[in-house]
Amino acid sequence: DAGITQSPRHKVTETGTPVTLRCHQTENHRYMYWYRQDPGHGLRLIHYSYGVKDTDKGEVSDGYSVSRSKTEDFLLTLESATSSQTSVYFCAIKIRGDSYEQYFGPGTRLTVT
Amino acid sequence: AQTVTQSQPEMSVQEAETVTLSCTYDTSESNYYLFWYKQPPSRQMILVIRQEAYKQQNATENRFSVNFQKAAKSFSLKISDSQLGDTAMYFCAFPPQGGSEKLVFGKGTKLTVNP
Repeated sequence: DAGITQSPRHKVTETGTPVTLRCHQTENHRYMYWYRQDPGHGLRLIHYSYGVKDTDKGEVSDGYSVSRSKTEDFLLTLESATSSQTSVYFCAIKIRGDSYEQYFGPGTRLTVT
Repeated sequence: AQTVTQSQPEMSVQEAETVTLSCTYDTSESNYYLFWYKQPPSRQMILVIRQEAYKQQNATENRFSVNFQKAAKSFSLKISDSQLGDTAMYFCAFPPQGGSEKLVFGKGTKLTVNP
């Protein structure tokens, strides 16, 4: 158990509203990631963080922002949700320093109506 | 561009039989890791097996093993003695650049184990 939790686990929101998803880890790992999973696309990286206040974009970052004010929390914000952002969102952490393997949270299913 | 390709969107196998899932990738790096993840209906992503490209020996974890062909950039997953609990989506992944902390995932193969 890598000690990763995500909240909320499910959310339904309306187009145009802001949404924040939270990822929390208990073990002080440096790297944290946000992915989205859509049918036919696998997992695609949205943003990642390599330390407090250190973040970078992934391949599908448009419409998303992130913040990391403390090691254990990594927040993903949709400033103005759109229907195309309906997806399952996964947070992950990197544990081993040399092999790049990542461990995942349970996921958040977000529906934008 | 660094890519990962899983050419089999869906596969099925009978319980107790063996099945092989394919993955090919593209990289200019000489040493890297490769991963297979499993996602059962519960949605949780679970690391199944890892392979270091530097090592010639294929990785094995119980009923799961890989056939790693570095020159061909192929990394297939073999599941022996398939069980109903193996029913899941399987994703191949690797870090696209040396020193990169990011993973690139394939689009997945949906495996169904039939009784």
